[in-house]
Amino acid sequence: AQSVTQLDSHVSVSEGTPVLLRCNYSSSYSPSLFWYVQHPNKGLQLLLKYTSAATLVKGINGFEAEFKKSETSFHLTKPSAHMSDAAEYFCVVSEWTGNQFYFGTGTSLTVIP
Amino acid sequence: EAQVTQNPRYLITVTGKKLTVTCSQNMNHEYMSWYRQDPGLGLRQIYYSMNVEVTDKGDVPEGYKVSRKEKRNFPLILESPSPNQTSLYFCASTSGAAGGDTQYFGPGTRLTVL
Repeated sequence: AQSVTQLDSHVSVSEGTPVLLRCNYSSSYSPSLFWYVQHPNKGLQLLLKYTSAATLVKGINGFEAEFKKSETSFHLTKPSAHMSDAAEYFCVVSEWTGNQFYFGTGTSLTVIP
Repeated sequence: EAQVTQNPRYLITVTGKKLTVTCSQNMNHEYMSWYRQDPGLGLRQIYYSMNVEVTDKGDVPEGYKVSRKEKRNFPLILESPSPNQTSLYFCASTSGAAGGDTQYFGPGTRLTVL
């Protein structure tokens, strides 16, 4: 069975400081992992994905995530937050040969000027 | 432009009045899916389709129907909507099986059932 746990429902950071959004997953097989971002009243946009290649994955807008199998984690980071990063972020898991995607409950990121 | 479109974007209806939300993609993707998004619950998969005439239940299929008669279209049907189906709905498509492939999402349909 697959599941995703986003450890923080809300994160607040000051502009220019690092961002850390935490995600733990559970998967019976080799997982594919994704981070999506949803800006207010918008659809979902892919930030980055892990599909069994390099464990450190770089995405758009300066975000990156590291796949750690031993910790079953896929945390999202950014060195310096920008006001435009304020949004809802979703961690998603899918099995490599699976037919379903499983979303975490989301982390709302607030960036304080 | 590669995209997933949904219609309508906003819908207010009453309990029991059948409705259909359309979804169309222009990327020749095989896999399509419907989700509902509710506060604090993230996105939950309603139904998905691996290809034409192949559909399967997701995690929350009760009260919904789907069909996949053409590759590009994947409508979501609520035969008898109820207030607990008030939600934000997203359609998504991806080129192959779920694993490893990026999902492309539509803009969402906000449904209110009175």
